[in-house]
Amino acid sequence: DQQVKQNSPSLSVQEGRISILNCDYTNSMFDYFLWYKKYPAEGPTFLISISSIKDKNEDGRFTVFLNKSAKHLSLHIVPSQPGDSAVYFCAASRGGATNKLIFGTGTLLAVQP
Amino acid sequence: DVKVTQSSRYLVKRTGEKVFLECVQDMDHENMFWYRQDPGLGLRLIYFSYDVKMKEKGDIPEGYSVSREKKERFSLILESASTNQTSMYLCASSSSPASAFQETQYFGPGTRLLVL
Repeated sequence: DQQVKQNSPSLSVQEGRISILNCDYTNSMFDYFLWYKKYPAEGPTFLISISSIKDKNEDGRFTVFLNKSAKHLSLHIVPSQPGDSAVYFCAASRGGATNKLIFGTGTLLAVQP
Repeated sequence: DVKVTQSSRYLVKRTGEKVFLECVQDMDHENMFWYRQDPGLGLRLIYFSYDVKMKEKGDIPEGYSVSREKKERFSLILESASTNQTSMYLCASSSSPASAFQETQYFGPGTRLLVL
């Protein structure tokens, strides 16, 4: 039972354009959402997060949008750069002291120069 | 700067061997996690620990055990390695959140394990 889904395994975008990565979830108890970025042969690194009390959070070129009614979140990267090429995982949390995250399957973003 | 280190980047083991994967974090984090990453499956939680000597099963604990004797160290043990345990293993740590805004997990570089 995949509670967090990333339906696009890969995405290719031209440098300078917008990249939009999507994520859907099924558990309405999730109250915190995160995006991680992973380069090959490295561990994931935290990118941006959003609480369920918000619908948008922005950090430089990265913006995460949350649509609770649709149980959908998206990551926008503007403008996209070749260094953004990586696998992006969305993750969701039910909160609580044990801090357990549920990860999606990942989307491989390729930004073409 | 948070640092999570894993004892090996690459390991090759034979079926039936006992395998130890070590993880150390230097930020005094309470929580530590072991995940495996497989193509098309994302990151799946094997075990986690929220305190010394405490452990909880994740989503795929079968064939694995863990040990947390010290706060900074979390070990993953494959009691008898099998070929279906060939994977990338990732360790992570986090502090116990005082609010929902403190749930970032910090990952190590990963150990790529090949079981022949």
